[in-house]
Amino acid sequence: EAGVTQSPTHLIKTRGQQATLRCSPISGHTSVYWYQQALGLGLQFLLWYDEGEERNRGNFPPRFSGRQFPNYSSELNVNALELEDSALYLCASSSWGNEQFFGPGTRLTVL
Amino acid sequence: DAKTTQPPSMDCAEGRAANLPCNHSTISGNEYVYWYRQIHSQGPQYIIHGLKNNETNEMASLIITEDRKSSTLILPHATLRDTAVYYCIVRVRHGYNQGGKLIFGQGTELSVKP
Repeated sequence: EAGVTQSPTHLIKTRGQQATLRCSPISGHTSVYWYQQALGLGLQFLLWYDEGEERNRGNFPPRFSGRQFPNYSSELNVNALELEDSALYLCASSSWGNEQFFGPGTRLTVL
Repeated sequence: DAKTTQPPSMDCAEGRAANLPCNHSTISGNEYVYWYRQIHSQGPQYIIHGLKNNETNEMASLIITEDRKSSTLILPHATLRDTAVYYCIVRVRHGYNQGGKLIFGQGTELSVKP
């Protein structure tokens, strides 16, 4: 069974640009979660999507947004990139609030 | 979600059992104990979870004290590949009404040495 996949693996942007990160959940999982892990910091919850709707968001500014598609895949968009947005962005999926399984992450570097 | 306390770091000799403790003295009756680990710069990996009974799977064993205020994750024969940060998380099983998120603390950095 394929795990959670994320693309791209690495992404380099300049300050002020927009970044789009993608996630495909495990087959059968309807929930997708996004987390940010900045260098030296812990994993911070960003967003939770379930059945196409945003269910919860963490303490992040509105320029962090996303969506979930009918096939349950998800996009995370970060607008007006700032240097401190450089981090590992992790996507996880689950079925009905059960164990979350994580993807390998997207390393975003903002120059 | 209840708060957890873990030692910041531990060492273990290869081939020996690694016992990682976690304190969760404010755990509620419907909260489970989850363990994840994160190998450097990779996504966290789910290990095991339990409510009050001891649990075992192919990766590890989870021992929860009778009062549920603490638990221990046991890796029976640690290998170099088990070197990682281990996170103990307490939350309700179906987190639909609790925002769905996992709250990661600082975890325990386990170093398995030859």
